[in-house]
Amino acid sequence: KQEVTQIPAALSVPEGENLVLNCSFTDSAIYNLQWFRQDPGKGLTSLLLIQSSQREQTSGRLNASLDKSSGRSTLYIAASQPGDSATYLCAVYMDSNYQLIWGAGTKLIIKP
Amino acid sequence: DVKVTQSSRYLVKRTGEKVFLECVQDMDHENMFWYRQDPGLGLRLIYFSYDVKMKEKGDIPEGYSVSREKKERFSLILESASTNQTSMYLCASSSDREQYFGPGTRLTVT
Repeated sequence: KQEVTQIPAALSVPEGENLVLNCSFTDSAIYNLQWFRQDPGKGLTSLLLIQSSQREQTSGRLNASLDKSSGRSTLYIAASQPGDSATYLCAVYMDSNYQLIWGAGTKLIIKP
Repeated sequence: DVKVTQSSRYLVKRTGEKVFLECVQDMDHENMFWYRQDPGLGLRLIYFSYDVKMKEKGDIPEGYSVSREKKERFSLILESASTNQTSMYLCASSSDREQYFGPGTRLTVT
């Protein structure tokens, strides 16, 4: 059974730092991996989608990497800003079905 | 631009009431999903639908039902609301396994 883990559960860093959020999964037979952002009391916003055949995707200051064989993905945020404060979730689609398997999220606080 | 809308941002209902949560997507997606999100428990799938009039139970379907009469609309029904159904409800749609979410409905059952 696929399990998705995000470490750390919470992270607080000063503004301007570059940071890395981690996501690991136990079964490498994934179809793709998706990173989301959630602001308090709001819905989820899709940030990046990486197909299983890809190694990375970039959008602005965000870069997501995927190492399927080792069961890991990272979300790199460059030059962090207070507006980046949110909970970041990763989720994987398996080859076998249309359901996402979710990590518990990393709560990120960027201090001005 | 991708758009998933939910009928209410906040809803307060009484125990025993029948509650309808509506979700509409404008992307012609085949798949639609209902989740609930609770502190410490993360996102849990209630039901999903892969076509009109088709539905599949997720991880926590008890106490809920769904309806999908049109491709763009997926409704979640609480037949008799209970206090343990107080939660954030999130709707999503997808085509080729990339999910897009609505803004969520915060439901409080008193």
